[in-house]
Amino acid sequence: NFMLTQPHSVSGSPGKTVTISCTRSSGSIASNYVQWYQQRPGSSPTSVIYEDNQRPSGVPDRFSGSIDSSSNSASLTISGLKTDDEADYYCQSYDSNNWVFGGGTKLTVL
Amino acid sequence: EVQLVESGGGLVKPGGSLRVSCAASGFTFSSYPMNWVRQAPGKGLEWVASISPRSSYIYYADSVKGRFTISRDNAKNSLYLQMNSLRAEDTAVYYCARDPGKGGYNYYYGDYWGQGTLVPVSS
Repeated sequence: NFMLTQPHSVSGSPGKTVTISCTRSSGSIASNYVQWYQQRPGSSPTSVIYEDNQRPSGVPDRFSGSIDSSSNSASLTISGLKTDDEADYYCQSYDSNNWVFGGGTKLTVL
Repeated sequence: EVQLVESGGGLVKPGGSLRVSCAASGFTFSSYPMNWVRQAPGKGLEWVASISPRSSYIYYADSVKGRFTISRDNAKNSLYLQMNSLRAEDTAVYYCARDPGKGGYNYYYGDYWGQGTLVPVSS
């Protein structure tokens, strides 16, 4: 199985843009779709990006996802930061019928 | 509205057993693969197990294989996780999550999640 590595934390100011990376340790990032979840304190995870770059209904277009084969990584970009975006974010993919999660990134909106 | 409501969590001693449940509503439960995902206190998410719509295909994380059993009752719109030989490291909030896959095919992610049920394992 591969691992997904995320930065422990990122921060940004309201109105700015932040990007959270998710690097796959082995195998191609393009081999299996990547999802992103938001988890606010005390709440369950919610999907913000699925299948690399698709937004569930109700998720604002400030959230976008992409993959980069050259760095073998996926990215979640949040533009126009709001204080409400402060949360933990997890990337997730799969391998051999198993889900694989990144370790999570704490986003602080300063 | 899709709803997933977990129940059955509670304090259990090491070596003990517990069954947690997930009641589903707002969608045709029997058409979707389902999963259990857990989160230890202050830690990240860990996938535990998945089950296909008709229970034909079942998969487990290595960390729980041989100790946990996932099952479902489509007539009752319910998902279960039987946990045996519990260890301190199994202490976590257990979430059920729906896989949006249809037609028996997994999409390998969760589009809806429950609120979770806490299972502390301690003497």
